[in-house]
Amino acid sequence: DVKVTQSSRYLVKRTGEKVFLECVQDMDHENMFWYRQDPGLGLRLIYFSYDVKMKEKGDIPEGYSVSREKKERFSLILESASTNQTSMYLCASSSPYNSPLHFGNGTRLTVT
Amino acid sequence: KQEVTQIPAALSVPEGENLVLNCSFTDSAIYNLQWFRQDPGKGLTSLLLIQSSQREQTSGRLNASLDKSSGRSTLYIAASQPGDSATYLCAVTSGRSQGNLIFGKGTKLSVKP
Repeated sequence: DVKVTQSSRYLVKRTGEKVFLECVQDMDHENMFWYRQDPGLGLRLIYFSYDVKMKEKGDIPEGYSVSREKKERFSLILESASTNQTSMYLCASSSPYNSPLHFGNGTRLTVT
Repeated sequence: KQEVTQIPAALSVPEGENLVLNCSFTDSAIYNLQWFRQDPGKGLTSLLLIQSSQREQTSGRLNASLDKSSGRSTLYIAASQPGDSATYLCAVTSGRSQGNLIFGKGTKLSVKP
């Protein structure tokens, strides 16, 4: 069974802090994704990676960066956290082409 | 630009009913369509994936259909149970890259005992 693990379920950070959200998958998937989910706005793609060290911007990359140094790990970085980045962050992985996405349980980030 | 709509936003049914959830999309040039389930405060669980060349997929009490020409998909749940209560989301992939996955906002289903 595919497992996608996000390092924290809940996180509280202060404005201006640098925040790291970690995601690890155990199925050797090429694709990894970071989404944020907000009430009324649904899921929005922040960044997508289709291979080690490869990344593509999603719909809302501003204020975020990512790192994929190893195939199994995809990190989301908030360079300087702001209150409008308070959200549920979801990591997902998949094989390429016509394969279902597998999601982690999410990290609920609060920036105060 | 592809848009995915799910109506209704919320649905409440008594236990045992068969029910249909709807998903529509504006651009019929999709690569596949996926249905997911999300429990409160949790991530999404993949239920069914229908490739663009397929008409339907089944898993247990779930059956998903796809009509590309009309831009519609339905998720049929047979003999609903309280444990089916969750939010159901559909998502379409436009183009081969899964970075082009577009989600609907979901239908929140409540099955009353």
